[in-house]
Amino acid sequence: GENVEQHPSTLSVQEGDSAVIKCTYSDSASNYFPWYKQELGKRPQLIIDIRSNVGEKKDQRIAVTLNKTAKHFSLHITETQPEDSAVYFCAAKTDTGRRALTFGSGTRLQVQP
Amino acid sequence: DGGITQSPKYLFRKEGQNVTLSCEQNLNHDAMYWYRQDPGQGLRLIYYSQIVNDFQKGDIAEGYSVSREKKESFPLTVTSAQKNPTAFYLCATYGGSLAYNEQFFGPGTRLTVL
Repeated sequence: GENVEQHPSTLSVQEGDSAVIKCTYSDSASNYFPWYKQELGKRPQLIIDIRSNVGEKKDQRIAVTLNKTAKHFSLHITETQPEDSAVYFCAAKTDTGRRALTFGSGTRLQVQP
Repeated sequence: DGGITQSPKYLFRKEGQNVTLSCEQNLNHDAMYWYRQDPGQGLRLIYYSQIVNDFQKGDIAEGYSVSREKKESFPLTVTSAQKNPTAFYLCATYGGSLAYNEQFFGPGTRLTVL
């Protein structure tokens, strides 16, 4: 089955700096890659996603890049703000079979004011 | 996300006791999922159902059971065979559209074993 690895597990940046979180996946059939933000005790919230036919997607301060050949994708947050502090999860999914998300282990991002 | 409700929000289980977590959705989605989240870890798939009256084991199904008698409902029972059930449980749905892949999550149930 699919295996998703995520790095780093913790990340501390100064307000205004950029943050990058990286994930690798194992199943070449995976074609959908979402990123979730989870605040303490809350449900994961989708912040951005990308399909395998696209190499990059941006939404204001957030961007995701995908390298299908290398099977890795990354989340980029620019101009970080204290409210960006949370745990971020990457995930991967195929359109066939169980169509369930396989999650990375998460990155705790701390933005220092 | 407002279309998925989970109850209760907090649940306490004694050793040897079975408990059932509720998940209801009004999104008219065919597929429903149960995930388990342990502190500092990602979500792991317990069971999933892609259609009424059918469900499949996920990656960590041992000690759990489910039913899918109605499209709107996918309850999860944590049995006494689950030796370490303390975790945050999340129910999710998926509409199945290739044009829109988002999986929606319920608010979660936090289960603690006493």
